[in-house]
Amino acid sequence: DAGITQSPRHKVTETGTPVTLRCHQTENHRYMYWYRQDPGHGLRLIHYSYGVKDTDKGEVSDGYSVSRSKTEDFLLTLESATSSQTSVYFCATQRDRDEKLFFGSGTQLSVL
Amino acid sequence: GENVEQHPSTLSVQEGDSAVIKCTYSDSASNYFPWYKQELGKRPQLIIDIRSNVGEKKDQRIAVTLNKTAKHFSLHITETQPEDSAVYFCAASSNNDMRFGAGTRLTVKP
Repeated sequence: DAGITQSPRHKVTETGTPVTLRCHQTENHRYMYWYRQDPGHGLRLIHYSYGVKDTDKGEVSDGYSVSRSKTEDFLLTLESATSSQTSVYFCATQRDRDEKLFFGSGTQLSVL
Repeated sequence: GENVEQHPSTLSVQEGDSAVIKCTYSDSASNYFPWYKQELGKRPQLIIDIRSNVGEKKDQRIAVTLNKTAKHFSLHITETQPEDSAVYFCAASSNNDMRFGAGTRLTVKP
């Protein structure tokens, strides 16, 4: 797979705390995405980026923010974590529009 | 935005049989339709994709068909093997907004 590293791999946090997930890629792909995966819902797009400092909302963006200050890094922040944000979070990269996505290994986040 | 529906949610077949998974989409501007396979505890990985200017694509035991008029596309797996057991996701992409179906859990019984 394209060199995509997500950190942390697992995290347990308390309701109301801020959480930041990191996605790092070494492939110089222009596009980066954050998805969450929940049973019965497949993969739902949270936010995506089409270049440094260029981001846009996906279908489930409420309660999340993102930043991309460098091509290789895409950060997802839960401003005040809630139990409904317990999920598996996948980062993905894409070399160009309408091409295959390369996924990271995922982050299991539990909000208690 | 795009809405992708996928059926069935679970599918069980006997080894050697064929499996078919169907998806519909809502946005007529969608022009890229990938299929991903996800094994338990692993990341999704692309198995085949098709673009809107093509009606069918085949790769060994896997084929995908696209009907743009009806806005549906299907994954066909022939001669299924136990290692085909996984969750399969379809997706449709329009203006870099890639939406996924809810997934189909395929079980191939030996």
